[in-house]
Amino acid sequence: GNSVTQMEGPVTLSEEAFLTINCTYTATGYPSLFWYVQYPGEGLQLLLKATKADDKGSNKGFEATYRKETTSFHLEKGSVQVSDSAVYFCALIDATNAGKSTFGDGTTLTVKP
Amino acid sequence: NAGVTQTPKFRVLKTGQSMTLLCAQDMNHEYMYWYRQDPGMGLRLIHYSVGEGTTAKGEVPDGYNVSRLKKQNFLLGLESAAPSQTSVYFCASSYSAGANQPQHFGDGTRLSIL
Repeated sequence: GNSVTQMEGPVTLSEEAFLTINCTYTATGYPSLFWYVQYPGEGLQLLLKATKADDKGSNKGFEATYRKETTSFHLEKGSVQVSDSAVYFCALIDATNAGKSTFGDGTTLTVKP
Repeated sequence: NAGVTQTPKFRVLKTGQSMTLLCAQDMNHEYMYWYRQDPGMGLRLIHYSVGEGTTAKGEVPDGYNVSRLKKQNFLLGLESAAPSQTSVYFCASSYSAGANQPQHFGDGTRLSIL
């Protein structure tokens, strides 16, 4: 079956530091890959996505590149802000399986001033 | 823009009680999903629906039932609540099963079973 593995957290950074959250996946087909963000007390929101190999998704200064050869989709941001503190989820969708998503366990990011 | 709305937002139940969680979406989405989120375990799929009148089991369906009588609504029922069902429940919807279709989430229902 499909699976998503994220780096374990929590991650604590100082403001303006560089962020990397690792994500690797296992899938039988050709999935699309997503990063979602969850702020306290809220549901998940789509942050960015990539639908095929070598695609780069980007939004709000965050980037991730779909690497088929390493089955990875690492999330990066060059300079984090306090407002980026949240839980980040990597996910894949296998369109051959009723569009069901497989989520990683989430990585909690705390950014300190 | 309402998007996906879940009611109630919070609820405390006693063991053995029953209740229904309501999810409503106004985006004309075909697919709807119920997840539970527990600390350190990410999101686990309980049940899902690929269209009005259809439902299917997900990863952790035991103890829950669902109904999709109307396209815009997806109900999750707990027939006899147990402490192990204490969790945060999220509803999500998507336009189709296409690989480029992200899911849209509600803000969750925080349920405690005493």
